[in-house]
Amino acid sequence: DMKVTQMPRYLIKRMGENVLLECGQDMSHETMYWYRQDPGLGLQLIYISYDVDSNSEGDIPKGYRVSRKKREHFSLILDSAKTNQTSVYFCASSLGGQGNSDYTFGSGTRLLVI
Amino acid sequence: GQQVQQSPTSLVLQEGENAELQCNFSTSLNSMQWFYQRPGGSLISVFYNPSGTKQSGRLTSTTVIKERRSSLHISSSQITDSGTYLCAMERHMGYKLTFGTGTSLLVDP
Repeated sequence: DMKVTQMPRYLIKRMGENVLLECGQDMSHETMYWYRQDPGLGLQLIYISYDVDSNSEGDIPKGYRVSRKKREHFSLILDSAKTNQTSVYFCASSLGGQGNSDYTFGSGTRLLVI
Repeated sequence: GQQVQQSPTSLVLQEGENAELQCNFSTSLNSMQWFYQRPGGSLISVFYNPSGTKQSGRLTSTTVIKERRSSLHISSSQITDSGTYLCAMERHMGYKLTFGTGTSLLVDP
């Protein structure tokens, strides 16, 4: 069963703490993404990874960094979390290349920063 | 400003009614996709439609690149169609999707 798995599903952190969100996929997709979804704003792209150690900033990368050491695994790291980083975070993967339709999304991680 | 605008923001239907969801984009694009999202759930690709008209069951998508718009038509709506429908455009440079803010659909019995 082809899927993108995100861990954890729910997370509560205090302001200033470090946060690690993990994402895995079993489809050998080259390209992986991290989005956040907020009410009224839709999904916004944080980072995109084209393959191992080949990462690129998305539209809102400030306050985030990523790591991709294996093709099937893509991590999002928040160093010193802020309350405005409370959001639902989605990971996705795709075959890569323009015009492809094969996007698969994870179920999301709901992060609350207090 | 918002590159992808969806309308309406929300929609309530009686079961059996039809729905027309609109997506307009302000910049040039490579392709357009429609996604479906249940409350609190993941996104599921509904249509990949770079241009023209595609149909799948009760759903029809029409994209007109020159007019920078795409629509999703749902015929004979069912309660299980309830959720949020998001359109997303793939920009010419890179593999990035830019999403609209979605149309929240509620189908009542």
